[in-house]
Amino acid sequence: GEDVEQSLFLSVREGDSSVINCTYTDSSSTYLYWYKQEPGAGLQLLTYIFSNMDMKQDQRLTVLLNKKDKHLSLRIADTQTGDSAIYFCAETQGNNNDMRFGAGTRLTVKP
Amino acid sequence: ETGVTQSPTHLIKTRGQQVTLRCSSQSGHNTVSWYQQALGQGPQFIFQYYREEENGRGNFPPRFSGLQFPNYSSELNVNALELDDSALYLCASSLWSPKANQPQHFGDGTRLSIL
Repeated sequence: GEDVEQSLFLSVREGDSSVINCTYTDSSSTYLYWYKQEPGAGLQLLTYIFSNMDMKQDQRLTVLLNKKDKHLSLRIADTQTGDSAIYFCAETQGNNNDMRFGAGTRLTVKP
Repeated sequence: ETGVTQSPTHLIKTRGQQVTLRCSSQSGHNTVSWYQQALGQGPQFIFQYYREEENGRGNFPPRFSGLQFPNYSSELNVNALELDDSALYLCASSLWSPKANQPQHFGDGTRLSIL
């Protein structure tokens, strides 16, 4: 089956950049997403990218997509303590409706 | 703009019981998807409803069923509850059309505990 994989933990210092990585196996993935989940809450959509793009920037967030290597990354510039959360990578295929998620990366920001 | 709302926020049931979880979609959205998130894992797709019909299903048994109403709200029903059904159940809504799939927006979930 198709898998989405992420490293489980990342720790950075406040003010540094954070880079969260994700790999996926299905070459027919067409939409790739990053969601943020804080304790006790649902998932907040941060950003998404179509597979025909290789980069998208939105304020402090930069998404890079390497379609050849099936690798997606999320860079958070000037990381703040409020960015501490679990970050999920997810993908869908075409107009299919099921979204496949990774297990999430827990980002800890130290003051 | 009203976001996705789910009720109840927490629920405790015992094995063998039945449960109904509710979801109101974000205004302007026509599609509702349900996900199960076990502790320490990513969400797993249960099914999606569009135009009051099931529009795709993940690897979940038939005791997981759902409904969508004309106002696009939805219910998830689970029969014969098992201990492994303990999880956070997330509802997500989106604007879906045959040509393009818009991102899904999530509610805060219902935490279901089975004793």
